[in-house]
Amino acid sequence: AQKITQTQPGMFVQEKEAVTLDCTYDTSDQSYGLFWYKQPSSGEMIFLIYQGSYDEQNATEGRYSLNFQKARKSANLVISASQLGDSAMYFCAMRPYSSASKIIFGSGTRLSIRP
Amino acid sequence: DGGITQSPKYLFRKEGQNVTLSCEQNLNHDAMYWYRQDPGQGLRLIYYSQIVNDFQKGDIAEGYSVSREKKESFPLTVTSAQKNPTAFYLCASSQTPTGAPYGYTFGSGTRLTVV
Repeated sequence: AQKITQTQPGMFVQEKEAVTLDCTYDTSDQSYGLFWYKQPSSGEMIFLIYQGSYDEQNATEGRYSLNFQKARKSANLVISASQLGDSAMYFCAMRPYSSASKIIFGSGTRLSIRP
Repeated sequence: DGGITQSPKYLFRKEGQNVTLSCEQNLNHDAMYWYRQDPGQGLRLIYYSQIVNDFQKGDIAEGYSVSREKKESFPLTVTSAQKNPTAFYLCASSQTPTGAPYGYTFGSGTRLTVV
């Protein structure tokens, strides 16, 4: 079965600290894509970062990096130097390439940044 | 600026009514998607379309219908057959069928409430 698991329903982090949001996935596909999205209270989903299953290097986008451990089926999001504006829901998602146009989402982690 | 426009932002439906949620994009994306989000949960796929005049059911298509007569537009109708339609609905599009490497672009959502 294709599944995304985010085990941290909520997290509190002090401003300027780094934070890691956990994500594990389950798929029998050899080719797949992994995504992280941010959803502020406004509701819009904002694309943060993408990692392909065959990418040898971990993806990075500014303060965001994806710690991809393929053997463990883990795709944790790392946010460096957190800011108050990082407070939001964060969703990990996967797109198995054998599944036509179907991205699977985890249940999300609510991140709250303390000043 | 390119993007996805969803309207209305808030929608109230009476029991037994059909309602239509609008989704328009000016990104020239071929693929479009409708997701449903319930409180505290991730997104679940309702319908998706990869090209004009073609669409497929997602995981929770019962009680919903769509059309794709134009590349820019992908309206979702919530029919009276949908027994629990109160939710947040998100429309998305992607440049590639897999979503790689730029992810999906999402609209700002429509919050539907049954009264």
